[in-house]
Amino acid sequence: QKEVEQNSGPLSVPEGAIASLNCTYSDRVSQSFFWYRQYSGKSPELIMSIYSNGDKEDGRFTAQLNKASQYVSLLIRDSQPSDSATYLCAVKEFTGGGNKLTFGTGTQLKVEL
Amino acid sequence: GAVVSQHPSWVICKSGTSVKIECRSLDFQATTMFWYRQFPKQSLMLMATSNEGSKATYEQGVEKDKFLINHASLTLSTLTVTSAHPEDSSFYICSARSYATNSYNEQFFGPGTRLTVL
Repeated sequence: QKEVEQNSGPLSVPEGAIASLNCTYSDRVSQSFFWYRQYSGKSPELIMSIYSNGDKEDGRFTAQLNKASQYVSLLIRDSQPSDSATYLCAVKEFTGGGNKLTFGTGTQLKVEL
Repeated sequence: GAVVSQHPSWVICKSGTSVKIECRSLDFQATTMFWYRQFPKQSLMLMATSNEGSKATYEQGVEKDKFLINHASLTLSTLTVTSAHPEDSSFYICSARSYATNSYNEQFFGPGTRLTVL
């Protein structure tokens, strides 16, 4: 069974600090990786997608992928209280699976004033 | 772009009744839509994959006769919870994959429907 693992947290960081969220996955053939942000009572919102090894930056967000280690992370620079939410890591396999995403259980981030 | 809507946003019904939830892609055509269920403090669990013009593919453990899915057009999929029971109370979320989008297979989520069965 394909698994996506995340530390449930909560991860607490002070405002302005860098928040580091980590995710590991079990299926070696996985090719597409996504980070979603979910506020309490709301549906997930896509933040970043990454497909190649290395870093991908978008504003304050940086996604990092290491396929050899089956590890993907999300860095949030200059964390703001509005970043407080649950961050879901999602993995899609390249072939088969009907383009399904497998989600981790999410990491709760709290940015404190 | 890539806006997905759901209706209703919340619904309360009596046990034994049926509830229909609509998922629409507003500014793109979606050949594939997905239905998820999320219980409190848990992650999203995929229920079924809905393809336009064909039968939905259900995940293991999801009763196809209880959760009826219809994907009649490229912009609309419906989920009907039949003979609802209190244990069906959950947050139901749909997502859509654009037909004409890039190759990244990104899914865009609707705002969700909170179902409470009394």
